[in-house]
Amino acid sequence: DTEVTQTPKHLVMGMTNKKSLKCEQHMGHRAMYWYKQKAKKPPELMFVYSYEKLSINESVPSRFSPECPNSSLLNLHLHALQPEDSALYLCASSQGSAGATDTQYFGPGTRLTVL
Amino acid sequence: SQQGEEDPQALSIQEGENATMNCSYKTSINNLQWYRQNSGRGLVHLILIRSNEREKHSGRLRVTLDTSKKSSSLLITASRAADTASYFCATAYTGRRALTFGSGTRLQVQP
Repeated sequence: DTEVTQTPKHLVMGMTNKKSLKCEQHMGHRAMYWYKQKAKKPPELMFVYSYEKLSINESVPSRFSPECPNSSLLNLHLHALQPEDSALYLCASSQGSAGATDTQYFGPGTRLTVL
Repeated sequence: SQQGEEDPQALSIQEGENATMNCSYKTSINNLQWYRQNSGRGLVHLILIRSNEREKHSGRLRVTLDTSKKSSSLLITASRAADTASYFCATAYTGRRALTFGSGTRLQVQP
């Protein structure tokens, strides 16, 4: 299984809502990532988990809260978001043996709209 | 920002032609990778070239790396309509435990 899955595919939420994005991989990868991507822009790294521990937080606002319950799952909890947070949120994983700079496998993304 | 730059930003060619995209980066790297992204979807890894390699091939793809000029190029030969996508280079900078993506090239292949 060489797939990274993400749910939901689309999410519309108000600024007062709390929601979660989910990501799953069964490739035995030990590094997992969250990226944010705006239209016609490259992905921007948000968080890196390595061996289930948060290893990089790219100064992301606290309204985004990552969680890695186990080596296969990665969540991104959302609370009190702003309309400018509307974007495609991508999850990725990699073997993790090369300091998170080896090949990354991406999920299809969650298209988030904040009203 | 350490983000790499890619050029051209957009490229439109006819099926069967070759497409060349260039990536420049700023500091020393461990490796450089190329990814493809179809509209609004996840990225797909194409090829990885290490800092001690100069050229790599994979099917219709050819990647070169010139560390003295801090640049890389991706050549797609005999392009197909299905190659229409955005292409990103991603650099693994020495000392940074994550990839940094370039600005991307949007390729349109006309059938």
